[in-house]
Amino acid sequence: GAVVSQHPSWVICKSGTSVKIECRSLDFQATTMFWYRQFPKQSLMLMATSNEGSKATYEQGVEKDKFLINHASLTLSTLTVTSAHPEDSSFYICSARDVGMAENTIYFGEGSWLTVV
Amino acid sequence: QQQVKQSPQSLIVQKGGISIINCAYENTAFDYFPWYQQFPGKGPALLIAIRPDVSEKKEGRFTISFNKSAKQFSLHIMDSQPGDSATYFCAASMRGGSEKLVFGKGTKLTVNP
Repeated sequence: GAVVSQHPSWVICKSGTSVKIECRSLDFQATTMFWYRQFPKQSLMLMATSNEGSKATYEQGVEKDKFLINHASLTLSTLTVTSAHPEDSSFYICSARDVGMAENTIYFGEGSWLTVV
Repeated sequence: QQQVKQSPQSLIVQKGGISIINCAYENTAFDYFPWYQQFPGKGPALLIAIRPDVSEKKEGRFTISFNKSAKQFSLHIMDSQPGDSATYFCAASMRGGSEKLVFGKGTKLTVNP
């Protein structure tokens, strides 16, 4: 199946610094990518929808200035957590929609663990 | 308002048994219903998906049953194996707009040897 790659898989950063997470669709073009946050033993919470060449659409309650999303190409979206704080520690997962598939199937990356100390 | 309700929250099945997870949705505009499997520390992996124009879809040991009038769909795992132990999420989306997925809360499946 289609592959979505996330990097880094895990990162530890100091409070107050910024961290960038990359999401790449490896074998298909993705005009739309999605960023999720998942807390332990909970479901995925959609943070924002990333559209290639335009501004991301953020879900209610998600701070757009804190979670910067850039979708510069058809295969790459990035999430930057700015001025990170311990409460931002979480599992961040991206997904990408393969518009080449009849079902417009959405594939997920492996996730990125962020720990802010 | 939870748009996709999933049950049970956890499920324990013996090896070789049938695992059944149920989901109900509210928005009749939903027209794509995937199931994802997630192992600890990993991203969700697409398992199987269905559109509302069919009532059942089978892929190997995994079957989705869909009841449009009741706005319900379920995942059946036949001959459940210990390797199937994972968290399963149902989801729904609609064509048009962003087609973002709305997820259920997940079911933790444990298959005992």
